[in-house]
Amino acid sequence: AQSVTQPDIHITVSEGASLELRCNYSYGATPYLFWYVQSPGQGLQLLLKYFSGDTLVQGIKGFEAEFKRSQSSFNLRKPSVHWSDAAEYFCAVGGTNDYKLSFGAGTTVTVRA
Amino acid sequence: DTAVSQTPKYLVTQMGNDKSIKCEQNLGHDTMYWYKQDSKKFLKIMFSYNNKELIINETVPNRFSPKSPDKAHLNLHINSLELGDSAVYFCASSPPGGDTQYFGPGTRLTVL
Repeated sequence: AQSVTQPDIHITVSEGASLELRCNYSYGATPYLFWYVQSPGQGLQLLLKYFSGDTLVQGIKGFEAEFKRSQSSFNLRKPSVHWSDAAEYFCAVGGTNDYKLSFGAGTTVTVRA
Repeated sequence: DTAVSQTPKYLVTQMGNDKSIKCEQNLGHDTMYWYKQDSKKFLKIMFSYNNKELIINETVPNRFSPKSPDKAHLNLHINSLELGDSAVYFCASSPPGGDTQYFGPGTRLTVL
């Protein structure tokens, strides 16, 4: 069975500081990995995805994520956060012709001035 | 020029009522989905349709019935609403193979 674990329920970070959100997955085949962001009262926006190739993936809004097969991880990073990055972040796993995405429980990011 | 749209955005109703949520995508995708996000923000897939054919049907009460009149639309009808149905319902769509899913803005359903 596929699953995603986001160990951090809530992270508070100062504006301008770096951010790292952890994601561990379990998937029986080659995974497709995603990070989505949900701003308050909004839908889910795709930040980035990994299918294959370079294990360091660049996304929108200055985010990047690194796929580490040996650790079953896909951690999300941003070098310098902005107040607008305050949101809920979801990691998800799927696969080739696997229409079912499994989401982690999410990490809430609070940005303090 | 919204890619995946849902109506209504908010829905407040009494227990026992029947309601529908509509979803439309203009991305030309073949596959559409319904997800439920509970009060703890946990997202779980409910249904998926590929070319109007049901391909995913998770353990959802049969009070929930999806209907796909064409590839661009997937509606969700809920009969005999219960308090536990209160949640945010998201529609999504994806191209063939189901790799990347694009989500709508959500419909917040409140059952009183």
